[in-house]
Amino acid sequence: DVKVTQSSRYLVKRTGEKVFLECVQDMDHENMFWYRQDPGLGLRLIYFSYDVKMKEKGDIPEGYSVSREKKERFSLILESASTNQTSMYLCASSTGDSAYEQYFGPGTRLTVT
Amino acid sequence: QKEVEQDPGPLSVPEGAIVSLNCTYSNSAFQYFMWYRQYSRKGPELLMYTYSSGNKEDGRFTAQVDKSSKYISLFIRDSQPSDSATYLCAMSAGTGGFKTIFGAGTRLFVKA
Repeated sequence: DVKVTQSSRYLVKRTGEKVFLECVQDMDHENMFWYRQDPGLGLRLIYFSYDVKMKEKGDIPEGYSVSREKKERFSLILESASTNQTSMYLCASSTGDSAYEQYFGPGTRLTVT
Repeated sequence: QKEVEQDPGPLSVPEGAIVSLNCTYSNSAFQYFMWYRQYSRKGPELLMYTYSSGNKEDGRFTAQVDKSSKYISLFIRDSQPSDSATYLCAMSAGTGGFKTIFGAGTRLFVKA
């Protein structure tokens, strides 16, 4: 069974902290994605990666960076957390030629106080 | 104007009703049209996708795409309480490096 796991379900951090969100997939997928989901705004793409060490900016990359050192793992980094980064963060993966069929993790609810 | 517009609802229907969920879009380059279902406290899961125009049926679910009107629909027949979830439409111009754009989601409640 297809599996995308995220390191934490709930996370509370303070303003200015550096935050790491980890995502692991076991499907040998080429593509991995990070989204944030906010009420009324839907899913917005932060970054995606189509190969190890490759990354592309999404629609809202400001304040975030990513790392993909291994094919199965894609990390999202908040360099200096701010309250407007309080959100649900969703990781997804897909094969290289089927980006329309994305498999999502359960999400991490991040609260920045 | 957003590229993809979706009524957030909530939509409340009795068990057994036919449900119609809709999205409109502005980008004529979109070729792939997806519907994802998201249960509370879970990530979205792909329900069905359609390439270009036309209909696609899978059990109680039917997806329709009208590219001339830039309008897509998901119909759920004989709705069940287990169908209660948020339904997200999503669209993409291609399969490779093209981004997928998601609607905001429609929250559906099916009452027993």
